[in-house]
Amino acid sequence: GAVVSQHPSWVICKSGTSVKIECRSLDFQATTMFWYRQFPKQSLMLMATSNEGSKATYEQGVEKDKFLINHASLTLSTLTVTSAHPEDSSFYICSASLPAYEQYFGPGTRLTVT
Amino acid sequence: GENVEQHPSTLSVQEGDSAVIKCTYSDSASNYFPWYKQELGKRPQLIIDIRSNVGEKKDQRIAVTLNKTAKHFSLHITETQPEDSAVYFCAANAAGNEKLTFGTGTRLTIIP
Repeated sequence: GAVVSQHPSWVICKSGTSVKIECRSLDFQATTMFWYRQFPKQSLMLMATSNEGSKATYEQGVEKDKFLINHASLTLSTLTVTSAHPEDSSFYICSASLPAYEQYFGPGTRLTVT
Repeated sequence: GENVEQHPSTLSVQEGDSAVIKCTYSDSASNYFPWYKQELGKRPQLIIDIRSNVGEKKDQRIAVTLNKTAKHFSLHITETQPEDSAVYFCAANAAGNEKLTFGTGTRLTIIP
């Protein structure tokens, strides 16, 4: 149980374009999902907390207009990187939480902006 | 907000020996402390967790201890095997809610 999928697993896009990443909880309903960014050999940096049916809560320093988050249902959250630039290249990972705080992670999306 | 420190950053252990990774946290309201294992290019996997009403928890070769007074918790891996080689992250929840703050990670290498 507690399986989280993420799509796509990798994407290459041109500078200035937008990219959408989907995060799904496959066998449970997740009221809360989280989006992280991970740089090579570094820890997980929380970008935002996504709650079903409400606006996402962004961490300090994360541009909400650049990283658009939509949590349309209890099993789906999406992250759209708008007007992507090379510095947005990174590994983006989502997680979904069970009621008792346990977070299960998706496999991640490697974004490369050329 | 919550601050989590993790030590050591790298750890090499002979196969069959034990490995210990330590974390400290700052928020006394934290009540949930998970440990994740991340292999290269893969997702972090929850391997064990502990809550503030428990001092120790064990699952086969893995154990976690929590000292609420000192605000530190540790991961213990016994009888290490090559497949234990990975990066391990500790985490603590902020002010008793779902949001996790992660430590900086420990790269564990098991020497055959």
